[in-house]
Amino acid sequence: GAGVSQTPSNKVTEKGKYVELRCDPISGHTALYWYRQSLGQGPEFLIYFQGTGAADDSGLPNDRFFAVRPEGSVSTLKIQRTERGDSAVYLCASSLLGRGTGELFFGEGSRLTVL
Amino acid sequence: AQTVTQSQPEMSVQEAETVTLSCTYDTSESNYYLFWYKQPPSRQMILVIRQEAYKQQNATENRFSVNFQKAAKSFSLKISDSQLGDTAMYFCAFIAGGGADGLTFGKGTHLIIQP
Repeated sequence: GAGVSQTPSNKVTEKGKYVELRCDPISGHTALYWYRQSLGQGPEFLIYFQGTGAADDSGLPNDRFFAVRPEGSVSTLKIQRTERGDSAVYLCASSLLGRGTGELFFGEGSRLTVL
Repeated sequence: AQTVTQSQPEMSVQEAETVTLSCTYDTSESNYYLFWYKQPPSRQMILVIRQEAYKQQNATENRFSVNFQKAAKSFSLKISDSQLGDTAMYFCAFIAGGGADGLTFGKGTHLIIQP
C-alpha cells in the first residue's frame, strides 16, 4: 500500500480480554516498530523488527505483551489479559534503512480503550 | 539512557508569525540523530526535519529550520511564516546511531496557529 496501515482504528474491550492489533508496513520496508502513546505523552518504544525477527523488544512492559512478524511484512501486537492501564494509542512505523539512518513512516495508530 | 525534554506544553501564535519550539536532550552517545515530528489530530506522525549530530550545518526544510547546539544539547525548531495547517502536536525525538532502544520522544508541544 501507499502508507503504513493499522487496524483496527479503534478498539474497545473489557478488562481481562485478549486483543490483537495489526500493522501493514510500506511494501519493501524491512524495519518495523511498535510504539505506545498514552494521553498527553510522547510515543514510547515497544519493539523493533528487522525482517522476521525481533531485534529489540526491550520496550515491552511485561509478558502480557507480545508481537510477531512471521513473514517479514505484516506485524501483529498481541495483548493478553488487558488492564485499564493498557489504554493508549498504539503506533506502528516502518523504515527502509533501519533505525537511526532513515525516516520512519508512521500509521495513524490503533486507539485501545480498556473498560 | 537518553532523555528528551520539551519544556513548552503549549504555544499559540498568529498566522504568518515565526515561532520557535524548544528541545533539550541528554545522552552520552557521540553519534546520534535528532528529529522533529508533527502529529495532527489524525494521529499520524509526520517527519518535519532531521539532523545528524556529526553535521555542524543546521538542517532546513522550506519554512522549517533547526538551531542545533551540540555542546548545549539543544535542538530547537523554528517555523517561519506560520500557517493554520501547522497547528498540531510537535515532538522532538532522538535515536542513537547504533540504534539501541528505538526513538526516544519528548512529551510534545501543542502548537496553535491563530487566524
